[in-house]
Amino acid sequence: SQKIEQNSEALNIQEGKTATLTCNYTNYSPAYLQWYRQDPGRGPVFLLLIRENEKEKRKERLKVTFDTTLKQSLFHITASQPADSATYLCALDKSGYSTLTFGKGTMLLVSP
Amino acid sequence: GAVVSQHPSWVICKSGTSVKIECRSLDFQATTMFWYRQFPKQSLMLMATSNEGSKATYEQGVEKDKFLINHASLTLSTLTVTSAHPEDSSFYICSARESTLLGSQYFGPGTRLLVL
Repeated sequence: SQKIEQNSEALNIQEGKTATLTCNYTNYSPAYLQWYRQDPGRGPVFLLLIRENEKEKRKERLKVTFDTTLKQSLFHITASQPADSATYLCALDKSGYSTLTFGKGTMLLVSP
Repeated sequence: GAVVSQHPSWVICKSGTSVKIECRSLDFQATTMFWYRQFPKQSLMLMATSNEGSKATYEQGVEKDKFLINHASLTLSTLTVTSAHPEDSSFYICSARESTLLGSQYFGPGTRLLVL
């Protein structure tokens, strides 16, 4: 079965710096890889989706890369702000029609 | 657009009672809805996949007689936790997939269940 590892449980950075979060998977390469933001006591909020044939996707201050050779996705937040503090979840979708498999998430804390 | 609501947002009940949680897609039709459970500091774990008008597909280890799922319309799915016990206390989250947007799932805000 698919195993997903997200780097450290928590990541602390200073405001203005770039946060880089890692998502590694062990089995099949998914058709889609998605990133979500989850605040405490709330459901996940969709951020970005990247397809297996895409290397990079951007949305405002967010950037996602997808390397199917390394079986890894990197999620970057540039010019980070305290409001970016949350848990970020990586999720894999095998085919686009299938269910999502989530990682445990990385808690990001941006200090002013 | 693409808003999913859940009701109630939190519930406290006595052991042995049944609890129903509603999940609604407010501005789109969801042919498929998913139910997840999340324990503190853990990943979202898929419990079941629900397709409108058909029986839900449960993940391994999830008791279908304990977690009853009904997906009677394209905008509403319900999860009923029957004879709830303290170990069922968790954060239950639903999501809905819009049939026209491949790969996209929209999540509800979650329901916190505490069984005393």
